[in-house]
Amino acid sequence: EDQVTQSPEALRLQEGESSSLNCSYTVSGLRGLFWYRQDPGKGPEFLFTLYSAGEEKEKERLKATLTKKESFLHITAPKPEDSATYLCAVQATDSWGKLQFGAGTQVVVTP
Amino acid sequence: DAGVTQSPTHLIKTRGQQVTLRCSPKSGHDTVSWYQQALGQGPQFIFQYYEEEERQRGNFPDRFSGHQFPNYSSELNVNALLLGDSALYLCASSFGQETQYFGPGTRLLVL
Repeated sequence: EDQVTQSPEALRLQEGESSSLNCSYTVSGLRGLFWYRQDPGKGPEFLFTLYSAGEEKEKERLKATLTKKESFLHITAPKPEDSATYLCAVQATDSWGKLQFGAGTQVVVTP
Repeated sequence: DAGVTQSPTHLIKTRGQQVTLRCSPKSGHDTVSWYQQALGQGPQFIFQYYEEEERQRGNFPDRFSGHQFPNYSSELNVNALLLGDSALYLCASSFGQETQYFGPGTRLLVL
């Protein structure tokens, strides 16, 4: 069965202190790996889709990378508005559309 | 361009009752997926609808059922509510199996 494990569970950063979040996955065949950001009580907001090992995507202070076993979300010089839960999900090639999510990493950025 | 919309935003029910949640997809999208998110966990896939048919289903009992209408909007029905059904219910829309975009969710509390 497809599995997604995110680490750490929680991360507290000072403003400007760069860090990385990890998403390890096992899937029969990867159609895509997705990163979402979720604020408390709201729906997940799409950030990136990665399709193959070696692929990288960037948006403002965020950069996502993908290998055959894991993905990293790098946060460079974070600001307090980057505080959120970051969710990773995989979609398998033998799945019609199901996203298998990890439990998320809760990030708090303090001024 | 309106994103994914869901109604109602909040709902309180008692055990044994039935509930219907509604979702309108993003313009141009033809596929709707439903997820259940318990507090502190990642979203869990319930099912996905495309061309008015259920295409894939997660590990949820038959008490959870759905429907997709010709205008691509969708409903999620839950019968015989249990306390454990209390959660944030998320609707996501996509064009086929492409990236899923989430709505704001419906917070269901079962007493």
